[in-house]
Amino acid sequence: EPEVTQTPSHQVTQMGQEVILRCVPISNHLYFYWYRQILGQKVEFLVSFYNNEISEKSEIFDDQFSVERPDGSNFTLKIRSTKLEDSAMYFCASSDQASSGVTQYFGPGTRLLVL
Amino acid sequence: AQSVTQPDIHITVSEGASLELRCNYSYGATPYLFWYVQSPGQGLQLLLKYFSGDTLVQGIKGFEAEFKRSQSSFNLRKPSVHWSDAAEYFCAVGAMLTGGGNKLTFGTGTQLKVEL
Repeated sequence: EPEVTQTPSHQVTQMGQEVILRCVPISNHLYFYWYRQILGQKVEFLVSFYNNEISEKSEIFDDQFSVERPDGSNFTLKIRSTKLEDSAMYFCASSDQASSGVTQYFGPGTRLLVL
Repeated sequence: AQSVTQPDIHITVSEGASLELRCNYSYGATPYLFWYVQSPGQGLQLLLKYFSGDTLVQGIKGFEAEFKRSQSSFNLRKPSVHWSDAAEYFCAVGAMLTGGGNKLTFGTGTQLKVEL
């Protein structure tokens, strides 16, 4: 069964450093998303991406964040200058064209720790 | 804006007992509703979804959920819980985006513990 994959599974970085989180969505999917879950809190929407552009972003997704689909298979989230409060689990998700992309399938997540 | 409330933070049931996890949503239109499960250190696995039609939906692992518009609820049920069902369960509502796709808003989750 096809699945969303994410790398790395864990990342530790120093405050102020740039990080890139990588995701490989399910191959025929067209809609891509990033969510995050701070420890002990709910899963929060960050951004959605469709047709090579951002279709919506949350208030959390400020200028420090960017997304890119550099090729036909990867989808990345970049944090330019990490802050302590960026420590969280980051989930990538994708959905297909069926039902206008309503059903999202999630990857296993990348746990980011900013020191 | 949409929102989801899961009133139970923790629930403990005995193996073999029935289970009901509560979910209430707020959304202006016909909602797309989902239940996801997260085992420790794992990602979010889709259990079931409701778009329209039959208000009782079946999912994987023997779970079902019932959509009740009058109560704005989408409670998850299982007739007989197995020890492997111990996990965190998230209810979510989806809102269509004008630019394509949809945005999920999650509840705070219910941690299920199963006693042997």
